[in-house]
Amino acid sequence: QVQLVQSGSELKKPGASVKVSCKASGYTFTRYAMNWVRQAPGQGLEWLGWINTNTGNPTYAQGFTGRFVFSLDTSVSTAYLQIISLKAEDTAVYYCARAEGELSPWGQGTLVTVSS
Amino acid sequence: EIVLTQSPGTLSLSPGERATLSCRASQSVSNNYLAWYQQKPGQAPRLLIYGASSRATGIPDRFSGSGSGTDFTLTISRLEPEDFAVYYCQQYVSSWTFGQGTKVEIK
Repeated sequence: QVQLVQSGSELKKPGASVKVSCKASGYTFTRYAMNWVRQAPGQGLEWLGWINTNTGNPTYAQGFTGRFVFSLDTSVSTAYLQIISLKAEDTAVYYCARAEGELSPWGQGTLVTVSS
Repeated sequence: EIVLTQSPGTLSLSPGERATLSCRASQSVSNNYLAWYQQKPGQAPRLLIYGASSRATGIPDRFSGSGSGTDFTLTISRLEPEDFAVYYCQQYVSSWTFGQGTKVEIK
């Protein structure tokens, strides 16, 4: 079945970097875009952007350029989200989601906690 | 950017009752590129409705979506205990944006 499996929780200090992985299975990875969404504790869903899995071209939502980097390794059907210079307000659950317009399925989420 | 506004923020209902959730867009959502998601505590969102009115695979027929242009509705005909959750609308005409969510809680 179509499935996205994300890497485990991370605890980082402010200023550090983190890289979250999202491994796809059950479909041809390069046929669908991959989106990234975050959810701060107790808050709603916030769209970070998407990456074209065919060309590798990323598109970032407003406010998420510079410190957020999307990348791919198509040889292992995996998408990555790297966050540089982490801040306390980056504490959230980060989701990947396959896009065919609508988003489905979603990964299980990766909790990134930024704390000194 | 298309802004989506959901109402109400919280809906308090009893099992068996009908739930009506609203999603209003700041500009027209062409081609009805509007989806609804359900999220339960500690879980990832799950796609319920796409194209404003098409149910995703495996979604019970008590869930229905309607609307066009700037006004969309998610209806749950008879609430089951497992339906108490947070619901988000999302547009995918111009990038992707989400509404702020409606919580359906047990009265």
